[in-house]
Amino acid sequence: DTGVSQDPRHKITKRGQNVTFRCDPISEHNRLYWYRQTLGQGPEFLTYFQNEAQLEKSRLLSDRFSAERPKGSFSTLEIQRTEQGDSAMYLCASRERTSGPKNSYNEQFFGPGTRLTVL
Amino acid sequence: GDSVTQMEGPVTLSEEAFLTINCTYTATGYPSLFWYVQYPGEGLQLLLKATKADDKGSNKGFEATYRKETTSFHLEKGSVQVSDSAVYFCALSAGWFGNEKLTFGTGTRLTIIP
Repeated sequence: DTGVSQDPRHKITKRGQNVTFRCDPISEHNRLYWYRQTLGQGPEFLTYFQNEAQLEKSRLLSDRFSAERPKGSFSTLEIQRTEQGDSAMYLCASRERTSGPKNSYNEQFFGPGTRLTVL
Repeated sequence: GDSVTQMEGPVTLSEEAFLTINCTYTATGYPSLFWYVQYPGEGLQLLLKATKADDKGSNKGFEATYRKETTSFHLEKGSVQVSDSAVYFCALSAGWFGNEKLTFGTGTRLTIIP
């Protein structure tokens, strides 16, 4: 397995258009996270899935944003009616299910990101 | 809510200089603390971690100690190299040993001059 992959790597769109990004996590990683990173800032949490269930959504995730993970494998993030303020790098990360002793940490592995530019 | 504050950047140092990047945090409970690094053109990578107070995380010559009394997790390296040029992010995570979402600082861009 070569790690977390994201597609596309770059997307340029006009304001008002819809865009969809895809994330393929590392095989058998049951947790999948989406983050957004704007220029000069650190990543900000958007949402995460455990298998196909979306367990938490940030208040940053407005009604124009929707994320899915229909079969518990890849995930998509859709932005409807894009705005210039949506321009950012969208990062996906995955990690293994936590099991065994509680004194174990499972690293989040990040993908390369999808850079969105809204004109 | 949880937050992380990093020292203002960017930071420029000469090769073999001593590095400190300050990080303080605000969180409820007992978070786990992390340093991530982003090399030019690459994705975020975990550099080191500490999951409880007084733990020291270390990797590639970098170290950071989890100080609960000062709510800090400063990154240090005794002798930096040109290859250390990157953006460094301090982060925290709640839950058991940090197995939850990450809250990041704003990042510090480090440039090492030969």
